[in-house]
Amino acid sequence: EAQVTQNPRYLITVTGKKLTVTCSQNMNHEYMSWYRQDPGLGLRQIYYSMNVEVTDKGDVPEGYKVSRKEKRNFPLILESPSPNQTSLYFCASSLGRVENEKLFFGSGTQLSVL
Amino acid sequence: AQKITQTQPGMFVQEKEAVTLDCTYDTSDPSYGLFWYKQPSSGEMIFLIYQGSYDQQNATEGRYSLNFQKARKSANLVISASQLGDSAMYFCAMIWAMDTGRRALTFGSGTRLQVQP
Repeated sequence: EAQVTQNPRYLITVTGKKLTVTCSQNMNHEYMSWYRQDPGLGLRQIYYSMNVEVTDKGDVPEGYKVSRKEKRNFPLILESPSPNQTSLYFCASSLGRVENEKLFFGSGTQLSVL
Repeated sequence: AQKITQTQPGMFVQEKEAVTLDCTYDTSDPSYGLFWYKQPSSGEMIFLIYQGSYDQQNATEGRYSLNFQKARKSANLVISASQLGDSAMYFCAMIWAMDTGRRALTFGSGTRLQVQP
């Protein structure tokens, strides 16, 4: 089954404790991206990747890191989480071609930073 | 600037009836894609339907169809034969490619649909 898999689904952590949210897709998609969803602010893009070893900042990259060492994986790293990073996070992927921009989302990760 | 407008914060529909969720968009870019996503109370974002700006025909996916009127810049979602499980928040979204190659995604504010038995 074609899917984008995010883990964990829920995560509670404390300020300053490094964490990683994993994202994997099995559709051979070139384009992957991370978003956060906050009430009243909609979805905002954190980082995106056009292909392996090609990543760039989105709208709200501060406090986050990403890597794309393999095509299928695109982990989101919070080196020193803070309470303002409490949010619902989504990973997404697509073929990355203008004529076929269907974006598939993972199930989301609800992160709470205490 | 690209923008998505959903003017219906909430909608009610009787089970088995059809319902239309409105979406208008604003862009000067000739190449873009329009999505509808469903977000149930559990939080995940479920892809429903996609329409490319160059697609000639309206997209359909099972009970979902997208009424794409390019000149009016509208992309309404039609759900036929509503089911209780359709109760959720529905988001209209637009994706386009910026000069840098980045795919930018804009979401509307959402419409909460409640299906009544």
